[in-house]
Amino acid sequence: KNEVEQSPQNLTAQEGEFITINCSYSVGISALHWLQQHPGGGIVSLFMLSSGKKKHGRLIATINIQEKHSSLHITASHPRDSAVYICAVSSNYQLIWGAGTKLIIKP
Amino acid sequence: DTEVTQTPKHLVMGMTNKKSLKCEQHMGHRAMYWYKQKAKKPPELMFVYSYEKLSINESVPSRFSPECPNSSLLNLHLHALQPEDSALYLCASSLVAGIDEQYFGPGTRLTVT
Repeated sequence: KNEVEQSPQNLTAQEGEFITINCSYSVGISALHWLQQHPGGGIVSLFMLSSGKKKHGRLIATINIQEKHSSLHITASHPRDSAVYICAVSSNYQLIWGAGTKLIIKP
Repeated sequence: DTEVTQTPKHLVMGMTNKKSLKCEQHMGHRAMYWYKQKAKKPPELMFVYSYEKLSINESVPSRFSPECPNSSLLNLHLHALQPEDSALYLCASSLVAGIDEQYFGPGTRLTVT
């Protein structure tokens, strides 16, 4: 079993829909990260959180430390949100990566 | 300046060539990382430098040789690579190794022929 599990692996939705991507982890962590990778490579850090909830524009990230679970939400999704979203956890001074969720938003 | 730059963007090399990848940041970060990413997979950590010293080498073959000349620069020297080494090579930096948010460069797309 992977130490960081994401679901779903793939998600296709219509523009405007509310999107939720889930992440569960099985190791002790100092922080959890949500990152975005567009086709062509570059990775952008969206959130780093160790408790509670963070919001940036249309993106919201939550974490439940007791349940070892985090969610990334996108409100009013737009085709430009199409990308791979990756959950990673900081554990023992390294990042442990989830497999990523490929999100496609159709106009 | 919150940018990590990498050069070149694309590199095609033969199995007998020697080439180098370069990474630069001017955010005052003291940790720098090299990752290798194959298609449709998450990045795999290769090396971590902390305060210009190599702190983690994830059992990477010796045909990959990292170098950190100063706190802003990170190089990856390549020699006698194999076709299976073709991948996206990503550089990242963070304030401190392992616990802080990492900032990623755009990557170098390497093809070994």
